[in-house]
Amino acid sequence: DAGVTQSPTHLIKTRGQHVTLRCSPISGHKSVSWYQQVLGQGPQFIFQYYEKEERGRGNFPDRFSARQFPNYSSELNVNALLLGDSALYLCASSFGGNNQPQHFGDGTRLSIL
Amino acid sequence: GNSVTQMEGPVTLSEEAFLTINCTYTATGYPSLFWYVQYPGEGLQLLLKATKADDKGSNKGFEATYRKETTSFHLEKGSVQVSDSAVYFCALTPNNAGNMLTFGGGTRLMVKP
Repeated sequence: DAGVTQSPTHLIKTRGQHVTLRCSPISGHKSVSWYQQVLGQGPQFIFQYYEKEERGRGNFPDRFSARQFPNYSSELNVNALLLGDSALYLCASSFGGNNQPQHFGDGTRLSIL
Repeated sequence: GNSVTQMEGPVTLSEEAFLTINCTYTATGYPSLFWYVQYPGEGLQLLLKATKADDKGSNKGFEATYRKETTSFHLEKGSVQVSDSAVYFCALTPNNAGNMLTFGGGTRLMVKP
């Protein structure tokens, strides 16, 4: 079975641009979460979606937005990119219940020049 | 709020040495606790989990016991291998608010032959 897939794997942007990152969950999983991992740090929670509704949001500015589609795939959008947005963006999927473990993709490495 | 604190690395060990990576947490109620491992260039893989006090999670020779009295979830392995070299993350999810993860800062383990 396919795991969580993310695209693209690498991306280079300049300040002020916007970016869209994509994630396909494991088949049967209805919840998708996004995390930002700055080099040398632990991942920080950005968003969680369950059944196409936002279920949680971390402490990130409004430049960050996300959505989940009827097939449970998800997009993360970031506007007005800053140098500090350079990071590995991880997507994770799960069945969605409390205590359910999340399964991570390999991430999208975003570099801002 | 919720938080996770891990011992800082890197932890450098010789093959077959005993491993302990300390993890303590702050959370309301009874969170679920996890250890994830990240190999170079990859996403996070779930290593083990525990969902209630005194539970012991185990996988691939690694173990961790949920200690509510000391709010700890230390990771141990009796005999490490070179292939265990990676970054290890301790994490929690609250028991009543979805399964968003709060991560510690990670501990890099380097095992020398």
